[in-house]
Amino acid sequence: NSKVIQTPRYLVKGQGQKAKMRCIPEKGHPVVFWYQQNKNNEFKFLINFQNQEVLQQIDMTEKRFSAECPSNSPCSLEIQSSEAGDSALYLCASSLPGHSNTGQLYFGEGSKLTVL
Amino acid sequence: QQKVQQSPESLIVPEGAMTSLNCTFSDSASQYFAWYRQHSGKAPKALMSIFSNGEKEEGRFTIHLNKASLHFSLHIRDSQPSDSALYLCAVSMWSGTYQRFGTGTKLQVVP
Repeated sequence: NSKVIQTPRYLVKGQGQKAKMRCIPEKGHPVVFWYQQNKNNEFKFLINFQNQEVLQQIDMTEKRFSAECPSNSPCSLEIQSSEAGDSALYLCASSLPGHSNTGQLYFGEGSKLTVL
Repeated sequence: QQKVQQSPESLIVPEGAMTSLNCTFSDSASQYFAWYRQHSGKAPKALMSIFSNGEKEEGRFTIHLNKASLHFSLHIRDSQPSDSALYLCAVSMWSGTYQRFGTGTKLQVVP
């Protein structure tokens, strides 16, 4: 069973609405990633954090997407104004310190977003 | 920009067969190569990873890397119906902070 906890499992939003997803990483894992998996199984990296600091993010996330990993609270990914093309499975993953790109990723089961 | 591609897109094999999955990458500076498996509706789970050229075996699974050919593969010996899943390869760079994934091979093992 996955120890990375993502909520909600499913969310349905209208175009222009906000969508917010949360992730509790595996205990002791300071590195957190967000990926988008579309219906064609394409994985798109969105953003990653080490502790509360952003390591890297793609251009897409700098506009309508925002994310944070506050201390002692779940990490979150928010889409300010949802578009139909945002419909996808949003996967959160965590990894051990110093393993942002060379270590095993531990994934949650994802939040499936449908934008009507 | 690094491109990671997998073949075949889908595969049906009989129970007990050897399954071979392929992954190619475009950047020779890649340093970390991994396979993940995702059962339907479940979280992707890491299977194996490798840094150096050669082979590594863990149980029924073998990973083989050839950096010069920009290719690595996963071989599953004695495939079981429970191996039916989406298999994803992932690659990362020396200078990067995240793993790039291929679009997967959908494997079905039939009894």
